Amino acid sequence: GQSLEQPSEVTAVEGAIVQINCTYQTSGFYGLSWYQQHDGGAPTFLSYNALDGLEETGRFSSFLSRSDSYGYLLLQELQMKDSASYFCAARGGGYQKVTFGTGTKLQVIP
Amino acid sequence: DTGVSQDPRHKITKRGQNVTFRCDPISEHNRLYWYRQTLGQGPEFLTYFQNEAQLEKSRLLSDRFSAERPKGSFSTLEIQRTEQGDSAMYLCASSPDGTGGTEAFFGQGTRLTVV
Repeated sequence: GQSLEQPSEVTAVEGAIVQINCTYQTSGFYGLSWYQQHDGGAPTFLSYNALDGLEETGRFSSFLSRSDSYGYLLLQELQMKDSASYFCAARGGGYQKVTFGTGTKLQVIP
Repeated sequence: DTGVSQDPRHKITKRGQNVTFRCDPISEHNRLYWYRQTLGQGPEFLTYFQNEAQLEKSRLLSDRFSAERPKGSFSTLEIQRTEQGDSAMYLCASSPDGTGGTEAFFGQGTRLTVV
């Protein structure tokens, strides 16, 4: 089977930096993705790591360590609009099956 | 084309009734996925199409669930004899070839309530 674990909730101050961790167990692992979902909205793609290391896209960065089965999403210069749920998702097992974590609800406070 | 479109956005049905949802993916995307999401959980994979071929199907998709993509464009998801446990958001996503399903574009979902 496949499973991904994330903290359920994180609170951070506007302008600060926050890291959301994800540990995974999956067979035939291909890569780790991150999605953002606002309440009532659809998940939107943020980033993808196939190889170890850091990927940076604007204020968002994502890191992967395949040997540790671990990744994280780093959000810098937090804004109120970043308050949302964040999901890590692993591609593995069946070639096209993407399994999502249970999500981390981020609350940004003034 | 403005993105993945799902219809209807909301559906309330009585237990035991059949329902059908439609998904129109981004036009140039060959890959189409259905997920189910309940409150506080991540999306659960249901099934995947490559063009018109249904290549993967979760064991979560019982024999009451069926999905089609007859011409490799839009897709339908049908639930027969609905149960209260089927109440959830049903999400459709599509992606182009080459991304391996990791960069998926989601529709706004169909929220199903079974009463």
